[in-house]
Amino acid sequence: ETGVTQTPRHLVMGMTNKKSLKCEQHLGHNAMYWYKQSAKKPLELMFVYNFKEQTENNSVPSRFSPECPNSSHLFLHLHTLQPEDSALYLCASSQEAGAYEQYFGPGTRLTVT
Amino acid sequence: GENVEQHPSTLSVQEGDSAVIKCTYSDSASNYFPWYKQELGKRPQLIIDIRSNVGEKKDQRIAVTLNKTAKHFSLHITETQPEDSAVYFCAASIFVGGADGLTFGKGTHLIIQP
Repeated sequence: ETGVTQTPRHLVMGMTNKKSLKCEQHLGHNAMYWYKQSAKKPLELMFVYNFKEQTENNSVPSRFSPECPNSSHLFLHLHTLQPEDSALYLCASSQEAGAYEQYFGPGTRLTVT
Repeated sequence: GENVEQHPSTLSVQEGDSAVIKCTYSDSASNYFPWYKQELGKRPQLIIDIRSNVGEKKDQRIAVTLNKTAKHFSLHITETQPEDSAVYFCAASIFVGGADGLTFGKGTHLIIQP
């Protein structure tokens, strides 16, 4: 499969659960990103990884924990989430961080009950 | 950090008319300004971008203008068509030495009336 893929596409979890979102890019890029998209704050940047190093944490609560084991894979570990964390979580990648076209994945629709 | 303001939040135009979406940014160091289009239920996709060494860029019916002094940039769509209906996001970033992600505006829902 080409481009940027995300799994799962839909996730429902309770506030005490622990789950992980996975993102994989097949474009040979070196930068990967997590965005949160909700009705109130569209396309809110969460984390940036450039050459596997985290270069930005946009004041994200610690209940969200990113992991980037290599340039092709990015995870978002979730634990003790709140209902307001329900949103579409989008992964993106680009050649490098900064001024390059970002290619987005299809997103994971997360519902916290 | 960078702050990007986008207006209007909703824009309705007649098919065939032009549409203009405006954005302002706060960080004078920003020098890369892309525009993304997101159709309903789909992922955002880049439609055009501009770097600060140029004032205007065109691609068929789409154009972007940049005023660095005023720190604002605009998206212009001419001869609008039904398939132009979508949410459009502007963004800003630093090109040289920038290691951060894009800062996006809140989006404009463009509605093309038949």
